[in-house]
Amino acid sequence: GAGVSQSPSNKVTEKGKDVELRCDPISGHTALYWYRQSLGQGLEFLIYFQGNSAPDKSGLPSDRFSAERTGGSVSTLTIQRTQQEDSAVYLCASSLGKGWNTGELFFGEGSRLTVL
Amino acid sequence: DAKTTQPPSMDCAEGRAANLPCNHSTISGNEYVYWYRQIHSQGPQYIIHGLKNNETNEMASLIITEDRKSSTLILPHATLRDTAVYYCIVRVARDDKIIFGKGTRLHILP
Repeated sequence: GAGVSQSPSNKVTEKGKDVELRCDPISGHTALYWYRQSLGQGLEFLIYFQGNSAPDKSGLPSDRFSAERTGGSVSTLTIQRTQQEDSAVYLCASSLGKGWNTGELFFGEGSRLTVL
Repeated sequence: DAKTTQPPSMDCAEGRAANLPCNHSTISGNEYVYWYRQIHSQGPQYIIHGLKNNETNEMASLIITEDRKSSTLILPHATLRDTAVYYCIVRVARDDKIIFGKGTRLHILP
């Protein structure tokens, strides 16, 4: 596809269950970001993948959160033992890893997670 | 830690130029200034970025002061569709992560 694709677009789960959110970045983009946005709040940085470098996990709020990126393309964000405070929109973005405009991020439509 | 300071909200009349300020007094010589906006319920959208020189594209102009301690994003003819939260971001290097602050909520008044 032409843009960043995220799935599912909506996820409702029960407290304590695990969830997986998927992101397909734009082809050729070596940088991939995960952010989350709670209702009425700003974007909270979670994790950043850049090429083959070790990911920057400094934004992950707890060890219940993890993410991986396979083959330098698709990424999965996993939340274990979900809590109600995990309810938010999870946004994925990708960008080119080289050149003048590596900071131009292209965002997906987000995955809205609701934990009951 | 936020590297930028922006007013929480601003109003602008439709058709007028919207001038959004950003302070980044601790910016270093190799740090870029980026601007994004987020329209309600959508993902953020890149607008423009710069290092030292003023920049212009089809969306906006970016004016960076000579000492680089502040910048202004200019939307030359604001429309109602420009109502959004505007984020000013300072990024250390090309491979550094991008952190969003609280931004400025711009209201375009009819």
